[in-house]
Amino acid sequence: GESVGLHLPTLSVQEGDNSIINCAYSNSASDYFIWYKQESGKGPQFIIDIRSNMDKRQGQRVTVLLNKTVKHLSLQIAATQPGDSAVYFCAEILTGNTGKLIFGQGTTLQVKP
Amino acid sequence: DAGITQSPRHKVTETGTPVTLRCHQTENHRYMYWYRQDPGHGLRLIHYSYGVKDTDKGEVSDGYSVSRSKTEDFLLTLESATSSQTSVYFCAITEGPNYGYTFGSGTRLTVV
Repeated sequence: GESVGLHLPTLSVQEGDNSIINCAYSNSASDYFIWYKQESGKGPQFIIDIRSNMDKRQGQRVTVLLNKTVKHLSLQIAATQPGDSAVYFCAEILTGNTGKLIFGQGTTLQVKP
Repeated sequence: DAGITQSPRHKVTETGTPVTLRCHQTENHRYMYWYRQDPGHGLRLIHYSYGVKDTDKGEVSDGYSVSRSKTEDFLLTLESATSSQTSVYFCAITEGPNYGYTFGSGTRLTVV
């Protein structure tokens, strides 16, 4: 069935270290992927996206890697800061025109000072 | 978030009563979505709209109905609220399936 999942519910890192959050998806028909950050009491906030014709995309301090062979997505955060503490979700969009986002369950990133 | 507002932000209601949540956008986006978020389940799609009067069901649509009579408003109705519908509800908008999605700040609904 359709599912998007993250490997670890919680990730704890030291401030200044790099963070890697992983996500596995099962639907090979997905052609667009988005990473969201959600802080307590707020809605999901767009971080970075990637299309299926790419395998890497970089933003400011963030990089998303897509491995279609093993259906794996990762979010790398460089020099993690306390403000990066939040829940991170990956989401996929199936090919087609309805634009339905399918979310994974989320990984909580804790940044230790 | 800019361009999208949800109301109310918080609501407590009794079992069996009808409840309507509102999502309002000023972006003139075609697509609007309602999600619910519960611990251990992430965000799950309830209903979505791909145009005025054009709506369809998501994965957890039982007990919910929606209406979209104009571009800017997408209403989610619980005809007879149950305790299992206690959740945080998020609205999202996008101009197209392969564009960025913007989420509202959420409505926390408690059914007692």
